[in-house]
Amino acid sequence: GIQVEQSPPDLILQEGANSTLRCNFSDSVNNLQWFHQNPWGQLINLFYIPSGTKQNGRLSATTVATERYSLLYISSSQTTDSGVYFCAVSQGAQKLVFGQGTRLTINP
Amino acid sequence: DAGITQSPRYKITETGRQVTLMCHQTWSHSYMFWYRQDLGHGLRLIYYSAAADITDKGEVPDGYVVSRSKTENFPLTLESATRSQTSVYFCASSSETQYFGPGTRLLVL
Repeated sequence: GIQVEQSPPDLILQEGANSTLRCNFSDSVNNLQWFHQNPWGQLINLFYIPSGTKQNGRLSATTVATERYSLLYISSSQTTDSGVYFCAVSQGAQKLVFGQGTRLTINP
Repeated sequence: DAGITQSPRYKITETGRQVTLMCHQTWSHSYMFWYRQDLGHGLRLIYYSAAADITDKGEVPDGYVVSRSKTENFPLTLESATRSQTSVYFCASSSETQYFGPGTRLLVL
């Protein structure tokens, strides 16, 4: 099956810093989504982005489908950005395969 | 309220007992999913459903049963709970973007 690798596994930053999270996948996909799991365990969808670039406030994402990777950018980090960021992909039937996540800690 | 809800939010049970976790969504999404989340394994798909009366296995279906008689409901049953089924269970629904419920923390003693 398709493999999803996220890097880095852990990232610790000071408030105000910028960060880039990477997601590599092993085969072509028709669906790629980014999620944030906050410290209370809630999973929030950030982007549906099988290709191209999207922006939502301080967050933006880019997927280069032909090169099998996606990037999530977080600018001017806030402590509320802390948590685990998951990339998930699908090759059909909307069944997502999740990466292991990047744990982001933003210190005040 | 609109959205996706799960019940119960917390459950403690004993080995061998039957447990049913409920999931309800108000968007009329065709697809619904059950995942479990464990340390070291991330999120793993248990079962999914493409529509009412259509279900299929995911990555880790053993020990679980699902049904979907109505579009909005997708219950997950552990027929005879085992300690290895202690986990956090998430239900999700999607049309394109996937949305998760708040999760159920299950402890099997």
